[in-house]
Parts: sequence; C-alpha cells; structure tokens
Amino acid sequence: KNEVEQSPQNLTAQEGEFITINCSYSVGISALHWLQQHPGGGIVSLFMLSSGKKKHGRLIATINIQEKHSSLHITASHPRDSAVYICAVYPNTDKLIFGTGTRLQVFP
Amino acid sequence: DSGVTQTPKHLITATGQRVTLRCSPRSGDLSVYWYQQSLDQGLQFLIQYYNGEERAKGNILERFSAQQFPDLHSELNLSSLELGDSALYFCASSVTPQNSPLHFGNGTRLTVT
Repeated sequence: KNEVEQSPQNLTAQEGEFITINCSYSVGISALHWLQQHPGGGIVSLFMLSSGKKKHGRLIATINIQEKHSSLHITASHPRDSAVYICAVYPNTDKLIFGTGTRLQVFP
Repeated sequence: DSGVTQTPKHLITATGQRVTLRCSPRSGDLSVYWYQQSLDQGLQFLIQYYNGEERAKGNILERFSAQQFPDLHSELNLSSLELGDSALYFCASSVTPQNSPLHFGNGTRLTVT
C-alpha cells in the first residue's frame, strides 16, 4: 500500500463544475504539497500546508492532520485546469513522498 | 517562471554512457532537490542538498551521483546508463528544507536507447 493515496485517479468534468481531489496519507507529516503537472510536463507548486486551509484564486486546499487527509478543491473549473494534480508529503524527513496523481480533464 | 533553470531540456544517449544534468536554483534558495519521474514509478525523490551539503538521500542508484557547488548550482551525474533510466528528471529548490514552497525546473527528458 502506498503511503500517499489519491482519489480519484481520473476525473472528467464540464466547465464550471466544482471539483474535489482527495489525498490520504499513512505517516506523520510536517507538511503537505499540492502540485500541478501540465501536459507538457512542467510542475507547479500550488500549495504547501501544515494545517488548516489555504485559498488562491479558484483553488482551495484543506488539511486535517488528525485524520491524515487533505483535499484540493477547484471552483468554477475551466479547460485550462486540465492537468495532473499530485499530492506529496514530508514524513518528518526531507524525503518528499508523492502520490500517484489525479488526471483531471475539464471539457468546455 | 519558477526561477529554476535546468539544462539540457532533452538528452538522447546510448546504454552504457554517462550524462550530466544541471540545475540552477531560484535566487536565494539554498536547498536543491532532484526527482525522477518514470512512467511506471511516478515521481521519486532522489537526493537533496542544502547550502552545499548532502542532506537527504532517497532511492538513488549507486550509478547516480550529485553535488551542489559553492554557487549553489547542482549537477546530477548518471553513469552506465540503462534503458530503464529513461525518465524525466526534475530539479526543485526552496529557501529551507521541508517547510518552504518548492520551485520546480522544467525538467530534463532523458532517453536511453
């Protein structure tokens, strides 16, 4: 079993829909990252969380340390949001552990 | 633009050869990380440097080595290349380890034939 599990693995949506991607982890962590990987391969860091909730534009990330769970929400989704979203955690070391990613496709 | 520069963008080489991948971190970032992304393994942490010193090691093969130079740029050396080493290699940087945002380079796509 992977230490970081994401669901769903694949997600399709219509433009404008509210999207939720989930991340569960089995180890104690010092921080959690949400990353976005575009079809061209480049990776962008969206959020770094150690508690609570962060918002940036249409993106919201939450984390529940006790339940070892984080969610990434996209409001009013747009085709340009189509990408792979990756959850990654620092398990109290410097060795970042990655989830397998959620592939999101948003259709107009 | 993340401010992290990786060169080259693409590299095609033969089995048994040696290559060097280069990374210049974002200005002000002291930590440099190397990651490998292959089709069957996903993203994997290889190694981390902080201010010139090795700080953490992940699933890095003995055929691979890395270093961070005094000007903070880093190089990842891959030797005795095998077909299975074909992957995207990413460098990332941050101000401090663990609890600061990561800035990723665009990656080097290595193809071993």
